Amino acid sequence: NAGVTQTPKFQVLKTGQSMTLQCAQDMNHEYMSWYRQDPGMGLRLIHYSVGAGITDQGEVPNGYNVSRSTTEDFPLRLLSAAPSQTSVYFCASSYSTDTYTGELFFGEGSRLTVL
Amino acid sequence: GQNIDQPTEMTATEGAIVQINCTYQTSGFNGLFWYQQHAGEAPTFLSYNVLDGLEEKGRFSSFLSRSKGYSYLLLKELQMKDSASYLCAPMDSNYQLIWGAGTKLIIKP
Repeated sequence: NAGVTQTPKFQVLKTGQSMTLQCAQDMNHEYMSWYRQDPGMGLRLIHYSVGAGITDQGEVPNGYNVSRSTTEDFPLRLLSAAPSQTSVYFCASSYSTDTYTGELFFGEGSRLTVL
Repeated sequence: GQNIDQPTEMTATEGAIVQINCTYQTSGFNGLFWYQQHAGEAPTFLSYNVLDGLEEKGRFSSFLSRSKGYSYLLLKELQMKDSASYLCAPMDSNYQLIWGAGTKLIIKP
């Protein structure tokens, strides 16, 4: 059971470039989310999805797009990379009921540097 | 506003007991999670409290007082592998997690 798989694990971009971070889970979880983690700060929610075809913005959505065409996949797109987007990105999923998202299962993280 | 407060760093000795405190202010409350995160790795789930009191799970216990906006994580019989960051995350009225910056726990032999 692979759990949550993120690719790539490391990426260096130049300012203005675009890229997609891939996330896939094989646990049939309805809830999926993207976080960024910066030194000295808590995890910050970028976007999340409660099921295929449904996405919503989190705390820091600017500069990022997401889509959820299948239950398994939840890619994160950086539209025009900026140095402020240098961070570690985590994809996380959980089973979801109407009132409780449950414990989160995280991918290994994607370390992005924007020059 | 929503706020989480936990110590930045703590040091403890192998075999000892350590308590990591977390105070929080959130818009509504739907439980509180603790996660462990080793350096360079992803967070992993430790515990979830929704009612007041102590939840025990092996060497780890978590306590919640909703009226005080307070939780702690208690680690017993510390091992070197417990060196990690511990993240406190209450869930607000929208069922979104509000993450603290984490407490880095250093275990010394």
